[in-house]
Amino acid sequence: AAGVIQSPRHLIKEKRETATLKCYPIPRHDTVYWYQQGPGQDPQFLISFYEKMQSDKGSIPDRFSAQQFSDYHSELNMSSLELGDSALYFCASSDHPQTGARVLTFGAGSRLTVL
Amino acid sequence: AQSVTQLDSQVPVFEEAPVELRCNYSSSVSVYLFWYVQYPNQGLQLLLKYLSGSTLVKGINGFEAEFNKSQTSFHLRKPSVHISDTAEYFCAAWNYGGSQGNLIFGKGTKLSVKP
Repeated sequence: AAGVIQSPRHLIKEKRETATLKCYPIPRHDTVYWYQQGPGQDPQFLISFYEKMQSDKGSIPDRFSAQQFSDYHSELNMSSLELGDSALYFCASSDHPQTGARVLTFGAGSRLTVL
Repeated sequence: AQSVTQLDSQVPVFEEAPVELRCNYSSSVSVYLFWYVQYPNQGLQLLLKYLSGSTLVKGINGFEAEFNKSQTSFHLRKPSVHISDTAEYFCAAWNYGGSQGNLIFGKGTKLSVKP
């Protein structure tokens, strides 16, 4: 079965640089989510898109932006990188729920290291 | 306040012993509950979920969890663990905040299985 594809898997940037992460959701999934997991931390919700429109925002810094394109892939853009942005970034997708909650399928993550 | 509480940050256990990883949820989240596993340097994999129906939920790799509404708990159990079960386990709940909702995670429990 197709999974959520994230690229790149690893990324090293300097402070104040810009980084872009890509996510390809499972085909026919209508919602994409971005999560950030700092070292030794639980995943924190950043932002989500439903049918290519921004749906919800969590603890996403103003320096970060995201969008979902016509082919449903999503990109997370991070500017003016700080050391504290070093983390594992997960993308997840879900389809329309059959009950009250969606079931998220996560990608393998993109590990960003800021030096 | 943390909406999903995992009571143990680390659980060491010997191979073939039973294990229970504890999770409590607060009334601020829904009763749609999940357990995810994260192996070292990997993504989040869904172990099991409670959406409705039987309170005893069986998942992959021999894990099961019991939803207890009166105790607001969703503890994860396995009768006999293997070395390969060494990983971090996250309890999560569906959060209806916002437009489409998102998943809120606990702080995680690191399960260490020793020979």
